[in-house]
Amino acid sequence: NAGVMQNPRHLVRRRGQEARLRCSPMKGHSHVYWYRQLPEEGLKFMVYLQKENIIDESGMPKERFSAEFPKEGPSILRIQQVVRGDSAAYFCASSGRGSMNTEAFFGQGTRLTVV
Amino acid sequence: KNEVEQSPQNLTAQEGEFITINCSYSVGISALHWLQQHPGGGIVSLFMLSSGKKKHGRLIATINIQEKHSSLHITASHPRDSAVYICAVRTSGSRLTFGEGTQLTVNP
Repeated sequence: NAGVMQNPRHLVRRRGQEARLRCSPMKGHSHVYWYRQLPEEGLKFMVYLQKENIIDESGMPKERFSAEFPKEGPSILRIQQVVRGDSAAYFCASSGRGSMNTEAFFGQGTRLTVV
Repeated sequence: KNEVEQSPQNLTAQEGEFITINCSYSVGISALHWLQQHPGGGIVSLFMLSSGKKKHGRLIATINIQEKHSSLHITASHPRDSAVYICAVRTSGSRLTFGEGTQLTVNP
């Protein structure tokens, strides 16, 4: 079991481009959470997804950001028309049940740099 | 005021010292997590607590639900313990709310 896998580990995008961040949860996990860590700041919740459903997106910026977790394949966090303020580390976590009262398994993160 | 406050923000210790990191929260919670993050690295879950105390190797975590306070202790600290330690609480729904983290440096 390779754990939670995120790719790419590092991503550089020019302003205005699109960024796609991928997260494959641990085997057997069907719940995925995305968190963002801005430079010199703590982690902040973005979105919680179950297979094919968005359960809680209250932490997602209203524009340019979207997330999906299809029936097959990884969860995708998509940022359209990136701006410098989107530069951050984006972490994905997964769980086997719809509750973070289970252990939290995090990926290595994707470090996005917008130039 | 943040819902989750950690202290200290930065901590420097000598190898072998006993270390305590504190976490206070202001909301009702169902669970509290202690996480470890190395520079440029991923996040590792150390403990999940809803009551009492847990121990894993040289790490001990305690929680007092009535006082809304948790502590992470490291005994016989080692330079490889140098990392950011993050307290996170589950409040409502599925989200975790995080403290700002404590940067620990253990010198040889």
